[in-house]
Amino acid sequence: AQSVTQLGSHVSVSEGALVLLRCNYSSSVPPYLFWYVQYPNQGLQLLLKYTSAATLVKGINGFEAEFKKSETSFHLTKPSAHMSDAAEYFCAVSGRGYQKVTFGTGTKLQVIP
Amino acid sequence: DGGITQSPKYLFRKEGQNVTLSCEQNLNHDAMYWYRQDPGQGLRLIYYSQIVNDFQKGDIAEGYSVSREKKESFPLTVTSAQKNPTAFYLCASSISPGTAVYNEQFFGPGTRLTVL
Repeated sequence: AQSVTQLGSHVSVSEGALVLLRCNYSSSVPPYLFWYVQYPNQGLQLLLKYTSAATLVKGINGFEAEFKKSETSFHLTKPSAHMSDAAEYFCAVSGRGYQKVTFGTGTKLQVIP
Repeated sequence: DGGITQSPKYLFRKEGQNVTLSCEQNLNHDAMYWYRQDPGQGLRLIYYSQIVNDFQKGDIAEGYSVSREKKESFPLTVTSAQKNPTAFYLCASSISPGTAVYNEQFFGPGTRLTVL
């Protein structure tokens, strides 16, 4: 069994401020973890993924996430928010092999000028 | 460019009608998926297919049907039995389960279905 919890359905940050989007997971097997971004009325685009190599994962658009097994977390960060980062972000988990992917309920990021 | 296309972008349906949403991919992926997205609920899996001529129900299959006659295509029919079909529908695909270590999914642009 697996699940994902995203804390905060809406997050607001000022332009230039740190972005922190929280994701905690539950998995009965070693997990693979993903962050996706969705702009209004568009599909999901992969930002980054954890595949059991490095625990600090760098993705596109300056985002990164750190896998912390002891905390069962995979929080997404970006040092300095840009207006173009305003979107909805989804955390997802799956197990080793061809496993079903379970998505979180999403966090909408608002960037205030 | 390889990718996933969905059509139409917007679809309006009258109550009691069946409608079919198109999904095509040229990524040479074996697996394809349909998700439904509602505000605040994330993505919920409707159906998935790991190989041509085979598909499985997801978590919310009632009122939906699919076919997988070609590797590239995975159309979704929303039937009149679906009580609340207004939603954003996303199609995705991924590499063959026989070769993939993890299930990274690639998404199409979505179809927004509205019931009038």
